[in-house]
Amino acid sequence: KQEVTQIPAALSVPEGENLVLNCSFTDSAIYNLQWFRQDPGKGLTSLLLIQSSQREQTSGRLNASLDKSSGRSTLYIAASQPGDSATYLCAVMGWPPSGGSYIPTFGRGTSLIVHP
Amino acid sequence: GAVVSQHPSRVICKSGTSVKIECRSLDFQATTMFWYRQFPKQSLMLMATSNEGSKATYEQGVEKDKFLINHASLTLSTLTVTSAHPEDSSFYICSAPRAGEQYFGPGTRLTVT
Repeated sequence: KQEVTQIPAALSVPEGENLVLNCSFTDSAIYNLQWFRQDPGKGLTSLLLIQSSQREQTSGRLNASLDKSSGRSTLYIAASQPGDSATYLCAVMGWPPSGGSYIPTFGRGTSLIVHP
Repeated sequence: GAVVSQHPSRVICKSGTSVKIECRSLDFQATTMFWYRQFPKQSLMLMATSNEGSKATYEQGVEKDKFLINHASLTLSTLTVTSAHPEDSSFYICSAPRAGEQYFGPGTRLTVT
């Protein structure tokens, strides 16, 4: 069964720092990997989607990389801002053993606080 | 981008009553939708996969008679929490995939008193 681990669980940094959030998964047979942001009491907002054949994706100050063979992905946040404070979740889309549609497996998230 | 809505956003009900939560894909069709439950400061726990036109697939440990799922059309899935109890209080979120990407609803906060 796929297991997704996110490190660190929590992070508190001053504004302006560059950050790296880590996500690891146990089964490399994935369809894609997606990074989300969740604000308290809200739903999830998709940040970046990396297909299994890709190595990285970029959007603004965010860059996500994928090393499928080692079961790792990183989310890089450049020049962090207080508005980046949220929980960041990594989700791996894989194929269930019994077939059918792919299903997502989430990590527990990294809670980020960027203080002014 | 694709939009997924949920209704209601918040609901308070008395113990023993049933509550229905709707998940709609507004601008695309979804033959599959996912239902999750999230406890405070925890990650999302997949409860079940909702399949249009067939029975839902429940994750281990999730009571199918407690959490009834109906995927009546290509744009609507409903989750009914039957005979709700205070321990069912949680944040319920749905998602629908399109072109391999998951799109999430805004979530429903259920409080059972």
